[in-house]
Amino acid sequence: DAGVIQSPRHEVTEMGQEVTLRCKPISGHNSLFWYRQTMMRGLELLIYFNNNVPIDDSGMPEDRFSAKMPNASFSTLKIQPSEPRDSAVYFCASSHPGGALHFGNGTRLTVT
Amino acid sequence: KQEVTQIPAALSVPEGENLVLNCSFTDSAIYNLQWFRQDPGKGLTSLLLIQSSQREQTSGRLNASLDKSSGRSTLYIAASQPGDSATYLCAVLTKAGTALIFGKGTTLSVSS
Repeated sequence: DAGVIQSPRHEVTEMGQEVTLRCKPISGHNSLFWYRQTMMRGLELLIYFNNNVPIDDSGMPEDRFSAKMPNASFSTLKIQPSEPRDSAVYFCASSHPGGALHFGNGTRLTVT
Repeated sequence: KQEVTQIPAALSVPEGENLVLNCSFTDSAIYNLQWFRQDPGKGLTSLLLIQSSQREQTSGRLNASLDKSSGRSTLYIAASQPGDSATYLCAVLTKAGTALIFGKGTTLSVSS
């Protein structure tokens, strides 16, 4: 298995632009998670899905953030408009419910 | 609200030393606890998963213990090597189908 695949690996954009991060979970995993990591705050849960349904989005910072999971093999996290404080590493992870969590390599986002 | 704390934040040891990393959590009603390793610029790699009914798990030179009643887990690394240098994160799952709550990690440096 190729593991959790995220794209792009790096994204540099200007304030106000739309950013879309993509994730392909491990086949057969029916839970998918989006986390954000910064030096100050560590790993923060943004949103997670079970069987493609969003379960808890209370970690999404504000309405500028949105996430979708149109099918079991694809999810997106969108930021519109982006701001410099959104700069962070965004991780996608997947698992069976209650099982070991498998992370992608992350997308490093820089908003100037 | 579950909170996970890891002490110390950073640790430096000479090669060959045995060491213990600590993790504490505020709510003892957990489903499982997981230890991860993160190398710079990379995603997290799952090391060990301890179910709530278990006391410990072992993998090679790593041993993780769980004391639910006291809200503590330890990760023991035997005969440390420079290749063990990384950040180690502890995370707890309150129940299946929910999301892991992470500590901020302990950054380990093993010198040769």
